[in-house]
Amino acid sequence: RKEVEQDPGPFNVPEGATVAFNCTYSNSASQSFFWYRQDCRKEPKLLMSVYSSGNEDGRFTAQLNRASQYISLLIRDSKLSDSATYLCVVSSRSNTGKLIFGQGTTLQVKP
Amino acid sequence: EPEVTQTPSHQVTQMGQEVILRCVPISNHLYFYWYRQILGQKVEFLVSFYNNEISEKSEIFDDQFSVERPDGSNFTLKIRSTKLEDSAMYFCASSERTADNSPLHFGNGTRLTVT
Repeated sequence: RKEVEQDPGPFNVPEGATVAFNCTYSNSASQSFFWYRQDCRKEPKLLMSVYSSGNEDGRFTAQLNRASQYISLLIRDSKLSDSATYLCVVSSRSNTGKLIFGQGTTLQVKP
Repeated sequence: EPEVTQTPSHQVTQMGQEVILRCVPISNHLYFYWYRQILGQKVEFLVSFYNNEISEKSEIFDDQFSVERPDGSNFTLKIRSTKLEDSAMYFCASSERTADNSPLHFGNGTRLTVT
């Protein structure tokens, strides 16, 4: 089983749509979880951390289910500028700061 | 906003040559990392560095790779004898605390092409 698994997509949605991405991770000892965003051929940028209780940042909502080892990201009212690859990222158990990245899910928002 | 800077942005080298990729992390950050991304693939961890020594390295980071913080500001990745499969985007990153406790800031990357 891959350490972090995501549906690569692409997800093609119209502006204003709500879209959800899912991710599963294999290491039950992982403590920290993140969503990063990566534009084509650019560096990854932190979108948001994911907390056990779930958290929201504007149009973005992240959820964590530790029992199922499952993370989700919901984007409401999609904008053209949301078009990017969304990376699910999980900390390793080593406590050295190593992060494990998923393959990414590509989102294309159309006018 | 402070940022991580990497040079060069693109490096072309011949197989077997040595390359040094350079990075200037954010000044008050204590943890430094190199990641790489082969075209079309996921971002992969190479090495983490703290307090002037390697904290952890991946299987990719074999004897051909080394890191150094020679002068308190630069953080370099050296590949001693490049192979075709080393062609990738190399990202330097830094964080104030360990990456699972504070955001990782990535540089713009160096695209390494080995011919």
